[in-house]
Amino acid sequence: AQKVTQAQTEISVVEKEDVTLDCVYETRDTTYYLFWYKQPPSGELVFLIRRNSFDEQNEISGRYSWNFQKSTSSFNFTITASQVVDSAVYFCALIFVRIGFQKLVFGTGTRLLVSP
Amino acid sequence: EPEVTQTPSHQVTQMGQEVILRCVPISNHLYFYWYRQILGQKVEFLVSFYNNEISEKSEIFDDQFSVERPDGSNFTLKIRSTKLEDSAMYFCASMAGTYNEQFFGPGTRLTVL
Repeated sequence: AQKVTQAQTEISVVEKEDVTLDCVYETRDTTYYLFWYKQPPSGELVFLIRRNSFDEQNEISGRYSWNFQKSTSSFNFTITASQVVDSAVYFCALIFVRIGFQKLVFGTGTRLLVSP
Repeated sequence: EPEVTQTPSHQVTQMGQEVILRCVPISNHLYFYWYRQILGQKVEFLVSFYNNEISEKSEIFDDQFSVERPDGSNFTLKIRSTKLEDSAMYFCASMAGTYNEQFFGPGTRLTVL
């Protein structure tokens, strides 16, 4: 079964702190993709990153970085020097693929509160 | 930059009424989805649509729900007889191809009274 676990329900930090959001996934597929989405207070879902199961290189995009470790089935997300605008709910997701069909399986999300 | 749009942004309805939620996916995308998010909870898959037919639906997507792509641009979700528990944010998403990222619309907040 496909499952995504985000054990941290809510994290509070002060601006400029670094913060890591954890994501652990379960899948029996050998080929899969992992995603992170951001949901700001306005409610929309904003795509952040897609990572395939064959690429374990860490990725950095500005203040954001992602650490994918197949050995521990984790795909963690770090924000460096957090800002108030980073306050949002962050969802990790796994793609479930079968012939003719695919869907995203989301974790329960981590609410990040960044205070000034 | 192309984006998925949804209307209305907020719909309030009485229990038992029919509602239609509308979406315009990104124009060259082939896969279309509806997801639901009950307030404060995770995003849940409802239905996927490809090649003018439903390719998969969840157990949530019962006979009260239907989807249509009436023309080349719109993608609708109809709830025939709304229940209180249908109150949620409904997201439309579209995707260009297999394993691509899904792009989500801004959502329609449905409130059933």
